[in-house]
Amino acid sequence: QLQLRESGPGLVKPSETLSLTCTVSGASMSGTSYHWGWIRQPPGKGLEWIGTIHNSGNTYYNPSLKSRVTISVDTSKRQFSLKLSSVTAADTAIYYCARRYHYFNYWGQGALVAVSS
Amino acid sequence: EIVLTQSPATLSLSPGERATLSCRASQNINNYLAWYQQRPGQAPRLLIYDASNRAADIPARFSGSGSGTDFTLTISSLEPEDFAVYYCQQRNIWPPGLTFGGGTKVEIK
Repeated sequence: QLQLRESGPGLVKPSETLSLTCTVSGASMSGTSYHWGWIRQPPGKGLEWIGTIHNSGNTYYNPSLKSRVTISVDTSKRQFSLKLSSVTAADTAIYYCARRYHYFNYWGQGALVAVSS
Repeated sequence: EIVLTQSPATLSLSPGERATLSCRASQNINNYLAWYQQRPGQAPRLLIYDASNRAADIPARFSGSGSGTDFTLTISSLEPEDFAVYYCQQRNIWPPGLTFGGGTKVEIK
C-alpha cells in the first residue's frame, strides 16, 4: 500500500523559505503516468493546489503561487520536495503531499506549518 | 483560471436522508471533475473521478453525475460517517492546472 509522509519545520519566520519533503513508501515512484503534488489548507478553510511534478521533472504550478514555488523530485530517494519563498502569515496552513493519477488518489497525513516571528 | 463554485455551503440533514451537492465550473471542463470527502482531522479522500466513476472501496451510496459545467454528488442515504466536508476538483487540460471548489459541509441536523 502506497504511503506518503510530509516532514519539515513546523514554524517558519516571515520572509524566509518554507521547505517540506514528502517521502514515498510501499511502492515505486517510477510510474510514467504519475504526478506528485502539494496541496495546502489554511486552518478552517478550503483546499488550494500548489503544484505538481512528473518523474520527468516537468512541473506545473498554481499561477497565484508560481513566482514563489519550486517543486523537485528525487526518485532514487523516493522523495519530492516543496520550497515556498518569501512566506507571510497567509502561508500558514496544513501542507499535504499527494500522488496524482489524473486526480489525487493517495494523500499524506498533512503537516502544519505556521509562519510567525 | 477555472473557478469551481460549490453549493450549498452547508447542508443540514439527518442520517438516512439523501444529500445532493452541486459544483459549477466557470467554463466547460467536459467530465474532468472529482469529488473528495474530508473528515475532521483527516486528509481528503477521493470519492468520485471523471464526474461519475467511484474510486476504489467507495460505497455505492455515493454517486456522481454531470458534464460540461454542472456537476452533482449524491449520497443516497446518509450514514453517520458521511457527515464531513466535500470538495470538487477539476483537472482541465488547457489551461493546465487544478482547482478545488470551496467545499460543502454536510452536518447533522
